[in-house]
Amino acid sequence: DQQVKQNSPSLSVQEGRISILNCDYTNSMFDYFLWYKKYPAEGPTFLISISSIKDKNEDGRFTVFLNKSAKHLSLHIVPSQPGDSAVYFCAASEGQAGTALIFGKGTTLSVSS
Amino acid sequence: KAGVTQTPRYLIKTRGQQVTLSCSPISGHRSVSWYQQTPGQGLQFLFEYFSETQRNKGNFPGRFSGRQFSNSRSEMNVSTLELGDSALYLCASSPDGTGYGYTFGSGTRLTVV
Repeated sequence: DQQVKQNSPSLSVQEGRISILNCDYTNSMFDYFLWYKKYPAEGPTFLISISSIKDKNEDGRFTVFLNKSAKHLSLHIVPSQPGDSAVYFCAASEGQAGTALIFGKGTTLSVSS
Repeated sequence: KAGVTQTPRYLIKTRGQQVTLSCSPISGHRSVSWYQQTPGQGLQFLFEYFSETQRNKGNFPGRFSGRQFSNSRSEMNVSTLELGDSALYLCASSPDGTGYGYTFGSGTRLTVV
């Protein structure tokens, strides 16, 4: 049973517009959430994270929003650029040492110029 | 500083054989985790090692094993390879094994024929 779900396998956006990637989770013990970006034949690269004590975190063009009551988080990319085209993974952990990162299955973002 | 290094990058093995993959973490990182990525299942946690001890294990058969050396380098072994073991195997290191500081390597692409 998937604890982290990314229900949209793909998303297409035009350059300069906003990209919104969504993620839902079921485990209320998760207290730390991360977004990773992955290009083919490379490992995931950390993008941005958020602790459960916050509801928003920004880093340049990337903002992550967390709605704990809905067990939902989203990644906003503004403005989107062609170089943002990649697979985006949402991940969650319980924050304790040794616990695994639980990943969603990813959303492939395509940004067209 | 050097990132997480995984060797080899690509590997082709025959069904029934065994394989060993290697991971050198970022200097100073004591935790190493292994993940399997397949198109259908996304990234799935295999196991995590900290100071030469396995602290956590995912839901994989006993054919998958690992170890960590005193210099924090880690190896994972898969015995009696099956076609379904074909995947990208990713190693991630972090200072202490919490979700906050994971850095991934580029992975080893294993193909079982």
